[in-house]
Amino acid sequence: RKEVEQDPGPFNVPEGATVAFNCTYSNSASQSFFWYRQDCRKEPKLLMSVYSSGNEDGRFTAQLNRASQYISLLIRDSKLSDSATYLCVVNMRGDSSYKLIFGSGTRLLVRP
Amino acid sequence: GAVVSQHPSWVICKSGTSVKIECRSLDFQATTMFWYRQFPKQSLMLMATSNEGSKATYEQGVEKDKFLINHASLTLSTLTVTSAHPEDSSFYICSATLTSTKNIQYFGAGTRLSVL
Repeated sequence: RKEVEQDPGPFNVPEGATVAFNCTYSNSASQSFFWYRQDCRKEPKLLMSVYSSGNEDGRFTAQLNRASQYISLLIRDSKLSDSATYLCVVNMRGDSSYKLIFGSGTRLLVRP
Repeated sequence: GAVVSQHPSWVICKSGTSVKIECRSLDFQATTMFWYRQFPKQSLMLMATSNEGSKATYEQGVEKDKFLINHASLTLSTLTVTSAHPEDSSFYICSATLTSTKNIQYFGAGTRLSVL
């Protein structure tokens, strides 16, 4: 079983739509959680951290359920520029440092 | 702030040659740097964790003699792919953490390696 699992998509939605991505993680010792965005052939960029209380940043809302080991990202009023791959990322303690474990990503295509 | 520079951005080499990739933290000191590899349509996979002044910690399945990592200063880590083969062709990305915010990694722009 993968440590971080995501639906690969693609999600093909019209502009203005609301879209939700889900993610599950297997290691209950995971300490912190993030959503990253990766454009084609580019490095991943931090979109937002995810907290148990839920957090919002503009059109983006992230939720964490530690009991279910489940993370979500909601994007409202989708823009064409939101088209990218969204990576669910979990931070856990490794042998010598914290390390990030990446999901395989969910691809989003926003059409005009 | 927290800019990570990675060089080169793209390299093409012949099979059997070695390729060195540099990762620099431009405006901060990075005690820890990470090296990832990403194959097409797959996720980033951590290869190794590099702490300044000590040997890198490699993930399971990553050959330390093939992927040489040097982290000689607080602002520079290098990854050398030795005797590269076509199956080593991939997108290699480095990241670095600030001492004060260990959970946050700042990524370089990546190096696309093509081995002919």
